[in-house]
Amino acid sequence: GNSVTQMEGPVTLSEEAFLTINCTYTATGYPSLFWYVQYPGEGLQLLLKATKADDKGSNKGFEATYRKETTSFHLEKGSVQVSDSAVYFCALVNQAGTALIFGKGTTLSVSS
Amino acid sequence: EAQVTQNPRYLITVTGKKLTVTCSQNMNHEYMSWYRQDPGLGLRQIYYSMNVEVTDKGDVPEGYKVSRKEKRNFPLILESPSPNQTSLYFCASSSSGTVPGNEQFFGPGTRLTVL
Repeated sequence: GNSVTQMEGPVTLSEEAFLTINCTYTATGYPSLFWYVQYPGEGLQLLLKATKADDKGSNKGFEATYRKETTSFHLEKGSVQVSDSAVYFCALVNQAGTALIFGKGTTLSVSS
Repeated sequence: EAQVTQNPRYLITVTGKKLTVTCSQNMNHEYMSWYRQDPGLGLRQIYYSMNVEVTDKGDVPEGYKVSRKEKRNFPLILESPSPNQTSLYFCASSSSGTVPGNEQFFGPGTRLTVL
């Protein structure tokens, strides 16, 4: 079945540093891919998504490109802020279209 | 405001005492789902409902029940809670679970502790 692997955290960066969080997937076909963010004490919010190969999702300075050749959907941001400190989840839809399958999450901590 | 609400947000209970966590959405969504989040495991689906007529098990349904009597509500029922059900629970909804790229909206979470 479909699955997601994302890099273990925590990731600790200084403000304005470049961020990459790796995500690779295994899937039948080309399911939609998502990045969700969870701020402390809150539920998950959709950060960005891509629905087909070579699509680039972007939002709030974050970007991720759907790469079918490398089965990857890495999250990047050129200059992180303290307010970006959160847990980031890579996800895709399962084969039946009935659930999101999540990676284990990567905790990002940004200091000033 | 479009939202998914859950109650209670925090609950401490004892083994075997039946409890219900409510979930309600005001977006007229067909699809609703429950996930649990555990450290090192990410989120795993417990149950889902494609519409008021269709409810089915997710990956970790043991020990849980759900009910979908009306479109907006999808309560999670623990008939006899056990300590291994201590977790953070999220309800989610979307206009359709199968549409490619469809966003799921999540509630704020319910932190349950079973002693």
